[in-house]
Amino acid sequence: KQEVTQIPAALSVPEGENLVLNCSFTDSAIYNLQWFRQDPGKGLTSLLLIQSSQREQTSGRLNASLDKSSGRSTLYIAASQPGDSATYLCAVRTLSGGSYIPTFGRGTSLIVHP
Amino acid sequence: DGGITQSPKYLFRKEGQNVTLSCEQNLNHDAMYWYRQDPGQGLRLIYYSQIVNDFQKGDIAEGYSVSREKKESFPLTVTSAQKNPTAFYLCASRAASTDTQYFGPGTRLTVL
Repeated sequence: KQEVTQIPAALSVPEGENLVLNCSFTDSAIYNLQWFRQDPGKGLTSLLLIQSSQREQTSGRLNASLDKSSGRSTLYIAASQPGDSATYLCAVRTLSGGSYIPTFGRGTSLIVHP
Repeated sequence: DGGITQSPKYLFRKEGQNVTLSCEQNLNHDAMYWYRQDPGQGLRLIYYSQIVNDFQKGDIAEGYSVSREKKESFPLTVTSAQKNPTAFYLCASRAASTDTQYFGPGTRLTVL
């Protein structure tokens, strides 16, 4: 069964720092991996999706990479801002019972202080 | 304005009652999902539906039921058989063209 781990569980950084969030998964036979942002008490907002055949995706200050063979993805946030404070979750879709099913990590809670 | 709506935002249930959480989408997506989120936890899949009139159990389906009679709607019923239903419930749909999942704002269920 697929398991997804996110490290660190929490992170507090000063504004302006570049930072890296990690996501690892046990079954490398994934279909794709998606990074989300969740603000307290809200739904999830999609940030980036990487297909299994891709190595990275970029959107603005965000860059996500995927190393399927080692079961790892990283989300790089450049020049962090207080507005980036949120919980970041990764999800991988893996074949299970004939369908590609999403499995989520527990998330990294990020605080960017001014 | 396309998106996913969930209602109600907050729901209180007495022990032994069934309650139904609404999820509606106007994105024309075939696939829809229900997740449960507990404090400090990731999302756990309850049920999913790839197409109208078809749905499958996820990892934690016991004590829950769903229906998918219309493409736009995927309601979740939390039955009295669910022993610990207090949680944040999230509905999502997936775009076939991009594989991206889109989420609703969630329903917070509390058992009194």
